[in-house]
Amino acid sequence: DAKTTQPPSMDCAEGRAANLPCNHSTISGNEYVYWYRQIHSQGPQYIIHGLKNNETNEMASLIITEDRKSSTLILPHATLRDTAVYYCIVRVMGGGSNYKLTFGKGTLLTVNP
Amino acid sequence: DTAVSQTPKYLVTQMGNDKSIKCEQNLGHDTMYWYKQDSKKFLKIMFSYNNKELIINETVPNRFSPKSPDKAHLNLHINSLELGDSAVYFCASSPTSRGQETQYFGPGTRLLVL
Repeated sequence: DAKTTQPPSMDCAEGRAANLPCNHSTISGNEYVYWYRQIHSQGPQYIIHGLKNNETNEMASLIITEDRKSSTLILPHATLRDTAVYYCIVRVMGGGSNYKLTFGKGTLLTVNP
Repeated sequence: DTAVSQTPKYLVTQMGNDKSIKCEQNLGHDTMYWYKQDSKKFLKIMFSYNNKELIINETVPNRFSPKSPDKAHLNLHINSLELGDSAVYFCASSPTSRGQETQYFGPGTRLLVL
């Protein structure tokens, strides 16, 4: 699976949009971009994933650049409860017996009142 | 209505003891996983089972033995506990071992070996 690079930490004001970047310059054509987050003392939580088109769900939006070498997770109106470590993960489609999530260090997003 | 549950939530034990952590999912998923999160907060996969069959074993010491009595349960037994086994252990499940399916994580079991 391709390696990802994320900033170690970011701050965001409550009510503002939080934009979390991720670089995955070695991504392959069959690899998806996944985002998970881990709120303190809880298990990781799935947020969103995409291949090459932008995606939106009730939690966030995912913007993937045309060359697919980077992406941005957008939380449109961050709240204090969005304070968490956000993980950008790239993994193959149809992983078969090698299916697994490889977590990096992630980005600690702190939402401030 | 907990989707993925783990017991116990906390486990404090002495070195050398044998302990088990249980995991159950009520999502009807085929695949279950065990992850370990160490003190540096790195989250790494340990095992994965698909329909009671082991499909991933990530070079984990053989003191760790997963057991899946049915596809809704994946338990983790640890023999001869060592100090370095202290960590948070997360169970997860997904609809299948192939494809894009997302994983759903349990709340974690915090193991402290003294």
